[in-house]
Amino acid sequence: DVKVTQSSRYLVKRTGEKVFLECVQDMDHENMFWYRQDPGLGLRLIYFSYDVKMKEKGDIPEGYSVSREKKERFSLILESASTNQTSMYLCASSATTGGAYNEQFFGPGTRLTVL
Amino acid sequence: SQQGEEDPQALSIQEGENATMNCSYKTSINNLQWYRQNSGRGLVHLILIRSNEREKHSGRLRVTLDTSKKSSSLLITASRAADTASYFCATGRGSTLGRLYFGRGTQLTVWP
Repeated sequence: DVKVTQSSRYLVKRTGEKVFLECVQDMDHENMFWYRQDPGLGLRLIYFSYDVKMKEKGDIPEGYSVSREKKERFSLILESASTNQTSMYLCASSATTGGAYNEQFFGPGTRLTVL
Repeated sequence: SQQGEEDPQALSIQEGENATMNCSYKTSINNLQWYRQNSGRGLVHLILIRSNEREKHSGRLRVTLDTSKKSSSLLITASRAADTASYFCATGRGSTLGRLYFGRGTQLTVWP
């Protein structure tokens, strides 16, 4: 069965801390994505990656960075956490088949609270 | 930037009734997808319809796509309480490396 896992379901951090959110997929997917979800705002794309060591900015990359050293793992880094980064973070992955892009598979989410 | 906009924002129905949710979008797409999210969980893919398709079925789900009106609808027939969730449409464009543009979602509540 297809699986995307995230390192934590709930995380509480202090303002100014460096925060790492890890995402691992076991489907050999080329593409991986990080979103944040806030009430009334839907899903907003932070960063995505279409290959190892490749990354593309999404709509709200400020305050975040990412790392993709291995195909199965995509990390989201909050360099200096701030209270406005309190949110639900969702990771997803998808395959590219014959040049066509397919559905995304999501992890369970990490609810991050920054105090 | 959001691409899809779902309508209505919230929908409340009784078990056994049909639920229809709509999605409108602004630019050209090569596919449109519907996802479901139970409270506090990740999204689950329901159905994908490509831009050259007009209708697709999967179990109790029926999706239509009208590219001339830039709109799609998701119909859930014979709703159950377990269908209570948020439903999102997402559009894919050919040139954007697999990224999807999500709407803000419709919250569906199905009362027993």
